[in-house]
Amino acid sequence: GAGVSQSPSNKVTEKGKDVELRCDPISGHTALYWYRQSLGQGLEFLIYFQGNSAPDKSGLPSDRFSAERTGGSVSTLTIQRTQQEDSAVYLCASSSGGAQYFGPGTRLLVL
Amino acid sequence: DAKTTQPPSMDCAEGRAANLPCNHSTISGNEYVYWYRQIHSQGPQYIIHGLKNNETNEMASLIITEDRKSSTLILPHATLRDTAVYYCIVSIYNTDKLIFGTGTRLQVFP
Repeated sequence: GAGVSQSPSNKVTEKGKDVELRCDPISGHTALYWYRQSLGQGLEFLIYFQGNSAPDKSGLPSDRFSAERTGGSVSTLTIQRTQQEDSAVYLCASSSGGAQYFGPGTRLLVL
Repeated sequence: DAKTTQPPSMDCAEGRAANLPCNHSTISGNEYVYWYRQIHSQGPQYIIHGLKNNETNEMASLIITEDRKSSTLILPHATLRDTAVYYCIVSIYNTDKLIFGTGTRLQVFP
């Protein structure tokens, strides 16, 4: 079946602009996660949605970052007033319990 | 911070078994051991997980010591396509975010 998909695959933006990154999880998965990976760095947790519960936002690096998950399915990660240090690969994962299945990521470059 | 310790790199000859160790001496009773790998420029890929017993699937075997303070991921017949960074992670089943450490960079050579 279809895996986790993310769009766009690549995004180049100018410093100060807002960006939206989209994640389509595997159908039926109740949990959705966002991570990011900066160049040469490890994977960093950002935010986690589980069903109708309040999201775990403990990994968001600043209030410029926000995410929502509509209808328990698609999720959008929004970065406002982007900075050069936001340049990274943003990865989405979904789970039905246990293993997390990752999408291919969105490569964000802030000029 | 990651709760696991792994060697930064390992080499393995193609066709041989790759044994990747992981220390998790502070693991809690309700935490599982998960293994993921990340092939260059791709998202992480789930490999296997376990609680106490050894586990095997089509990709690998997981050996967990009796005291659960360490584990070994075994790729029985490594191929060039297994070259990747392998991450050992401890996490509560079903609910928890993954805290990635620096992993082990496995290089399989011909």
